[in-house]
Amino acid sequence: EVQLQESGPGLVKPSQSLSLTCSVTGYSITSNYWGWIRKFPGNKMEWMGYISYSGSTSYNPSLKSRISITRDTSKNQFFLQLNSVTTEDTATYYCARGKLGRYYFDYWGQGVMVTVSS
Amino acid sequence: VQMTQSPSYLAASPGESVSISCKASKSISNNLAWYQEKPGKANKLLIHSGSTLQSGTPSRFSGSGSGTDFTLTIRSLESEDFAVYYCQQYNEYPLTFGSGTKLEIK
Repeated sequence: EVQLQESGPGLVKPSQSLSLTCSVTGYSITSNYWGWIRKFPGNKMEWMGYISYSGSTSYNPSLKSRISITRDTSKNQFFLQLNSVTTEDTATYYCARGKLGRYYFDYWGQGVMVTVSS
Repeated sequence: VQMTQSPSYLAASPGESVSISCKASKSISNNLAWYQEKPGKANKLLIHSGSTLQSGTPSRFSGSGSGTDFTLTIRSLESEDFAVYYCQQYNEYPLTFGSGTKLEIK
């Protein structure tokens, strides 16, 4: 069974970088697409970006200057880095598997809550 | 593409049927997915391609629509269906989600 698990610090200071890891079991990240989505307080969901089976990336233009998604295929993990965070980046962050060629998400992690505060 | 989901809150009783609307600001063909969110659980993909049930989705769930107007219908609500539902378009980047509908027990 495909399982995803997010991990990382729950508290980040403003202006610092947010770094999260998504560990995948039951499926290789060298297939399909692997995305990050976040849900803000108030329930608005935002797609942040993804990394493909080949390592190519696509990002939400609203974040393009601050976001980086990378991967370690040997560990079957992919990563989110979001730079220069503000309190507006406080959210629950999810990783998810994207359906090949279709870009909806068929498996999700449970999410990790990240608070940006000094 | 902006996704307008309504209602934001819905109260119903077990056994009833409910419908949730999702409207796109431009045509997205049938490139729409519906998800279910429950506390402490991973989000579950219910429907993709507007009306195709994901494997494991109970048949009481159905999706309809194309273009700009889509509907998720749940017939004969069961206790496990009380959750938050989101739509998501994947016709173009950036991928966008509706604002969610919280379905509560009346």
